[in-house]
Amino acid sequence: GIQVEQSPPDLILQEGANSTLRCNFSDSVNNLQWFHQNPWGQLINLFYIPSGTKQNGRLSATTVATERYSLLYISSSQTTDSGVYFCAVGSYIPTFGRGTSLIVHP
Amino acid sequence: NAGVMQNPRHLVRRRGQEARLRCSPMKGHSHVYWYRQLPEEGLKFMVYLQKENIIDESGMPKERFSAEFPKEGPSILRIQQVVRGDSAAYFCASSPGGTGTEQFFGPGTRLTVL
Repeated sequence: GIQVEQSPPDLILQEGANSTLRCNFSDSVNNLQWFHQNPWGQLINLFYIPSGTKQNGRLSATTVATERYSLLYISSSQTTDSGVYFCAVGSYIPTFGRGTSLIVHP
Repeated sequence: NAGVMQNPRHLVRRRGQEARLRCSPMKGHSHVYWYRQLPEEGLKFMVYLQKENIIDESGMPKERFSAEFPKEGPSILRIQQVVRGDSAAYFCASSPGGTGTEQFFGPGTRLTVL
């Protein structure tokens, strides 16, 4: 099956900093989503982005399907951004990466 | 516009008991997926269902686990004779179309087996 690798596995930031999270995948896909799992365990949809670039407030994402990677940008981070960020990738049932754990300190 | 609903949110069972987890998809969604999340890990696919049909159960353990999505009512994930290793968070997702379309997740059911 498809392999999904996320980096970095852990990230610690001061409030206000910017960051880039990466998702590499091993095969061509037609479905890629980014999720934020908050400290209460809820999975929040961030982007459905099989290709191209999207922006939503302080967050943006870019997927380059031909090169098999996606990037999630977080600008001016806030403490509420803390949690785990997952990408889920696939052409059929999406496969989840292991996530990037983000801690934002005030 | 209610999202995906799951209940119970927390479930405690003793070894050997049965666990029943329920999932109501978003309105207008007829595709349901169940995932399991162990601590410090990502979500692992278990089963994909449409109304009255199991489409793909390749991620489901062969024994003790079953799932259904009846014509009326929620989807049910059933775990018989639970063991401690079944302790995990179980998430349900729904989508408006088939595979390859955006999934929306419920809040999860956290199962603890004593």
